[in-house]
Amino acid sequence: AQSVAQPEDQVNVAEGNPLTVKCTYSVSGNPYLFWYVQYPNRGLQFLLKYITGDNLVKGSYGFEAEFNKSQTSFHLKKPSALVSDSALYFCAVRDNSGAGSYQLTFGKGTKLSVIP
Amino acid sequence: SQTIHQWPATLVQPVGSPLSLECTVEGTSNPNLYWYRQAAGRGLQLLFYSVGIGQISSEVPQNLSASRPQDRQFILSSKKLLLSDSGFYLCAWSTRHENEQFFGPGTRLTVL
Repeated sequence: AQSVAQPEDQVNVAEGNPLTVKCTYSVSGNPYLFWYVQYPNRGLQFLLKYITGDNLVKGSYGFEAEFNKSQTSFHLKKPSALVSDSALYFCAVRDNSGAGSYQLTFGKGTKLSVIP
Repeated sequence: SQTIHQWPATLVQPVGSPLSLECTVEGTSNPNLYWYRQAAGRGLQLLFYSVGIGQISSEVPQNLSASRPQDRQFILSSKKLLLSDSGFYLCAWSTRHENEQFFGPGTRLTVL
């Protein structure tokens, strides 16, 4: 079984400050990890993914995430937050050990508010 | 480039009425297709997924059903809606060899 935890329901950060949105995962095999962003009443937009290779992954809109196998974490980061980054962020995982399954398991989401 | 469409964008239906939500994908062939429900603006619940025409897997027991009559068309249906069916329904697609899913704009369903 695979699972994802986003321990913070909400994160508040001042504009221009660095931001971190936390994610931890549990899989039986190797993880594929993803971050998505959702604006109100919109579908989810793909930000970035970790499949293999470099633990630091860079994605859209200046976001990046670091894969940490020992801590089973995949935290989303951005060096300088913008007000327009305010949205709902989802972490997702897929266990690469399952044959024929393409299902992603999503976390419950973290609401990011960037304060001007 | 690939695009995914959902309609209608919003829907208000009485309890006990039927439902049909449609999702279509353009610009790709043989996609995996998914239906999710999002309640109260938070977590996503996978309802159905399909790896090919006529192939539907259900993740949770419910009064909803899904069908895939064509390669790039995925339909979510119900014969009789319940109040608890209200929510934001999202369709998504992925390729067979990549892993990220790409989401449609969603349908807001309100059952009264």
